[in-house]
Amino acid sequence: SQQGEEDPQALSIQEGENATMNCSYKTSINNLQWYRQNSGRGLVHLILIRSNEREKHSGRLRVTLDTSKKSSSLLITASRAADTASYFCATDANAGGTSYGKLTFGQGTILTVHP
Amino acid sequence: EAGVAQSPRYKIIEKRQSVAFWCNPISGHATLYWYQQILGQGPKLLIQFQNNGVVDDSQLPKDRFSAERLKGVDSTLKIQPAKLEDSAVYLCASSSIRGRRFYNEQFFGPGTRLTVL
Repeated sequence: SQQGEEDPQALSIQEGENATMNCSYKTSINNLQWYRQNSGRGLVHLILIRSNEREKHSGRLRVTLDTSKKSSSLLITASRAADTASYFCATDANAGGTSYGKLTFGQGTILTVHP
Repeated sequence: EAGVAQSPRYKIIEKRQSVAFWCNPISGHATLYWYQQILGQGPKLLIQFQNNGVVDDSQLPKDRFSAERLKGVDSTLKIQPAKLEDSAVYLCASSSIRGRRFYNEQFFGPGTRLTVL
């Protein structure tokens, strides 16, 4: 079963704009990860945020985590055409304070950045 | 550092035939995963290995799917017999462990696109 629910399902923006994607989940987590998948290619890890962190940055990416609301958001600033891809959140469930490394992926957000 | 290798990249078979996929993880990664990704959906974990032992295979359809990682390195996933609904991309991933069971991010291979006719 898919734990993460992403919103929106599809997002279309112009180059230079910011893109925000949201993820909600149901159970307690150890960490939450975001992955990108380009058309016809495998998934690439973008960023990992642990359950005791609230915000994390990596280049043009900013991830927030609100464990009280069981939600996360991914912000891509100053988007480029090359950012066009599907973006997935994945949760690593919490089992007594440790993880088993089992990721549960959401359905993904399809981002299209127009040049 | 070489990435996760998978073969073949594409496979077309008829229903009721059998098929096998191969995966070689990143060197030194003890944990190996097989995922099934149906078009328009996120990946779904089929099986997780820790070295050559199975950690989780709760979502593996065991009547037709099998997987092994005999020497704790590369792995094969087999489907026998295949059904139309098995058409999907099969992704292999690997990860390392930091400390005791604190897993790092997963590194994915390019996947095998299976079409069952």
